[in-house]
Amino acid sequence: SQTIHQWPATLVQPVGSPLSLECTVEGTSNPNLYWYRQAAGRGLQLLFYSVGIGQISSEVPQNLSASRPQDRQFILSSKKLLLSDSGFYLCAWSVQPAVYGYTFGSGTRLTVV
Amino acid sequence: AQSVTQLGSHVSVSEGALVLLRCNYSSSVPPYLFWYVQYPNQGLQLLLKYTSAATLVKGINGFEAEFKKSETSFHLTKPSAHMSDAAEYFCAVSDGGSQGNLIFGKGTKLSVKP
Repeated sequence: SQTIHQWPATLVQPVGSPLSLECTVEGTSNPNLYWYRQAAGRGLQLLFYSVGIGQISSEVPQNLSASRPQDRQFILSSKKLLLSDSGFYLCAWSVQPAVYGYTFGSGTRLTVV
Repeated sequence: AQSVTQLGSHVSVSEGALVLLRCNYSSSVPPYLFWYVQYPNQGLQLLLKYTSAATLVKGINGFEAEFKKSETSFHLTKPSAHMSDAAEYFCAVSDGGSQGNLIFGKGTKLSVKP
């Protein structure tokens, strides 16, 4: 069966520090991968999605970046965090979104102080 | 372009009462529609989906939704609310593009009063 792992679960980082959040999927190949952010009162915001290794689409210009070094690995990064980067970050995967929808990870609560 | 609107950011019901969460969509192609539930500090979990088969879709935890093309709606219902249903609910529609990515509504937070 397919599983998605996202870590860490919580993270407290100072302003200006770097960020690396990792997401991996097991039990499937060539999935679409997604990074979302939930900020208080702002719903789900799509940050990046990827349809293959090295292929990243950015939905929102910001100081975050994403990479997909392996088929089932998706990494969200920042060189210097801002206070506004605080939020709940969710990774998701799908092979046919319109048919199956997405499967989400358990999320990372990031607090920038 | 496809879009989805959830009416009411907060809904409060009493335990045992009917739950009705509203979702209206806009789509230039036959839509694929989804409802997700999110409990505090957790990821989203698929409740049910409509993919052009039966218009009444049954999901997990006793929820169901009815696709009404004439009203462009996909409202989520449950006959009798439980305390454990308190969560945030998201409606989503496929964007109709080549990848079929989902577009999410802003969510409705459901509170259940004892």
